[in-house]
Amino acid sequence: QKEVEQNSGPLSVPEGAIASLNCTYSDRGSQSFFWYRQYSGKSPELIMFIYSNGDKEDGRFTAQLNKASQYVSLLIRDSQPSDSATYLCAVVGTPGAGSYQLTFGKGTKLSVIP
Amino acid sequence: DAEITQSPRHKITETGRQVTLACHQTWNHNNMFWYRQDLGHGLRLIHYSYGVHDTNKGEVSDGYSVSRSNTEDLPLTLESAASSQTSVYFCASSESEEWGSPLHFGNGTRLTVT
Repeated sequence: QKEVEQNSGPLSVPEGAIASLNCTYSDRGSQSFFWYRQYSGKSPELIMFIYSNGDKEDGRFTAQLNKASQYVSLLIRDSQPSDSATYLCAVVGTPGAGSYQLTFGKGTKLSVIP
Repeated sequence: DAEITQSPRHKITETGRQVTLACHQTWNHNNMFWYRQDLGHGLRLIHYSYGVHDTNKGEVSDGYSVSRSNTEDLPLTLESAASSQTSVYFCASSESEEWGSPLHFGNGTRLTVT
């Protein structure tokens, strides 16, 4: 059973601070990693994806991947109240038959305090 | 613009009834997925399809079925609705099997089984 673990939170940060969201996964052969944001009552929307070890930056968001430690994180710089949402980590397992579907973590609820 | 549409948005049904949730995408994606989302469980995969006439069971497929007769549609059927199937259901699609391409989600269907 492939597992994706996230701290459920809530994680509270003041406006303007850096929010750090973490995710670990069990399948060592996993190749693709995604972060989704989900506002209450809405559907998940893709924020970032990362395939290679290291950092990937997109605006205020940075995804970090460490395959040796089976760890992926999302940093949100200059956090805004509009960033308050649940953040879902999703992982695609070892390439092979039937492995293209994403396994999601339970999500971390982020609250940015004005 | 391409989109993925779910209907109905809300549904209340009685235990034992057959229910079908519709999902229609205009992305022309081969891959389509059904997830359910429950508090404490996150998003869990029910069924998925990699193309016309292809269907596969996910993590929580018992009591559900799907059929794929064309590229655009993947209806989800609850053969005999149970209270445990009260949930929010999301349909999603993705473009490619390679490297787990990102999912595009519909707006969700909130199903209540009384």
